[in-house]
Amino acid sequence: DVKVTQSSRYLVKRTGEKVFLECVQDMDHENMFWYRQDPGLGLRLIYFSYDVKMKEKGDIPEGYSVSREKKERFSLILESASTNQTSMYLCASSLPGGRKTQYFGPGTRLLVL
Amino acid sequence: GENVEQHPSTLSVQEGDSAVIKCTYSDSASNYFPWYKQELGKRPQLIIDIRSNVGEKKDQRIAVTLNKTAKHFSLHITETQPEDSAVYFCAARGGGSQGNLIFGKGTKLSVKP
Repeated sequence: DVKVTQSSRYLVKRTGEKVFLECVQDMDHENMFWYRQDPGLGLRLIYFSYDVKMKEKGDIPEGYSVSREKKERFSLILESASTNQTSMYLCASSLPGGRKTQYFGPGTRLLVL
Repeated sequence: GENVEQHPSTLSVQEGDSAVIKCTYSDSASNYFPWYKQELGKRPQLIIDIRSNVGEKKDQRIAVTLNKTAKHFSLHITETQPEDSAVYFCAARGGGSQGNLIFGKGTKLSVKP
């Protein structure tokens, strides 16, 4: 059974703080993804990674960075949190290749005050 | 790049009726079309997918159809049950060896007992 876990379910931060969201998967998946989910906007890809130390920008990378130092862990970093980054953040992982199922984590609901 | 439109945004049906959700995509090179179900407060989970070399796929009460010429695909749920109530997302994978999934904005399905 695939397990994708995220470090926090709920997080409250202040504007300007540096925020780290952690994602860990235990299935040895090469691909990992960070999405943002907002009502009426669906799932939007922020960053993805196909291998350790590799990262690629998704559709909405502005204001975010990522780190993948180990295969199982993919971190999303908000360098200076802003109120418009209040959202649900979902991590996902998959095997290599574009037609592989993505498995999602439970999500982190971030509130930036 | 790929663009995915999903309709309707909300759908209410009586238990036992059928539900149909439709999606269109823009990139003719797209070759993989998964559907995810997200129950309230839970993570999105894959329920069915279809590849571009197949026109229809069924799994018990769920079916997906693909019309490559018209660039649209649909999810059909028959004999709906209250536990089918959720948000459903369609997605399309863009072209290229590592094309990412582009998600529709979601359909909130309510099945009334």
